[in-house]
Amino acid sequence: DAGVIQSPRHEVTEMGQEVTLRCKPISGHDYLFWYRQTMMRGLELLIYFNNNVPIDDSGMPEDRFSAKMPNASFSTLKIQPSEPRDSAVYFCASSHRDSVLLSNQPQHFGDGTRLSIL
Amino acid sequence: SQQGEEDPQALSIQEGENATMNCSYKTSINNLQWYRQNSGRGLVHLILIRSNEREKHSGRLRVTLDTSKKSSSLLITASRAADTASYFCATVNTGGFKTIFGAGTRLFVKA
Repeated sequence: DAGVIQSPRHEVTEMGQEVTLRCKPISGHDYLFWYRQTMMRGLELLIYFNNNVPIDDSGMPEDRFSAKMPNASFSTLKIQPSEPRDSAVYFCASSHRDSVLLSNQPQHFGDGTRLSIL
Repeated sequence: SQQGEEDPQALSIQEGENATMNCSYKTSINNLQWYRQNSGRGLVHLILIRSNEREKHSGRLRVTLDTSKKSSSLLITASRAADTASYFCATVNTGGFKTIFGAGTRLFVKA
């Protein structure tokens, strides 16, 4: 079974450029999460979707960040314009709802996109 | 601020020893999870404990949960060099679906 697939694995670009990160969740999972990980701030939840609908985007740092999920098998996180402080590892994760827990099941993470903004 | 806070921030032990990591949280939870992250990789789920459970085992892992103290611990017995990684606790609030991760404990197991 394929896990969560993220692309690209590494991205280096100059400040001001648009950056698009991509994620393919595990088939059948109805929750998708975007996280950012830095040494200073740890793992931060940016936004999550349920059945392709954004549920909570309170973690999105600024209007420069946007995320979409046009269908159940694809999501993008876009930064425009990018800034050096956006440099981090961005993770996508997916899960599905547990009818017993009444909560989402443990999340499955991709291996992340290491983003460097020069 | 993060819901879960791990303690210690870093831990260095010899192979064969046990490793204990602690996690504290602030609000009521539905469940608490522990994840592991190897360098350069994504997080991998290890074990989930529900709010009405007190202890759970999985192989060399033992997790306890004390909801009155809002704390959990992860014990890795007979550690191996391959256990070297960062370990995170994560909480899902009652009625919610957001998973909030702590800052993690970096474990180094010396061969």
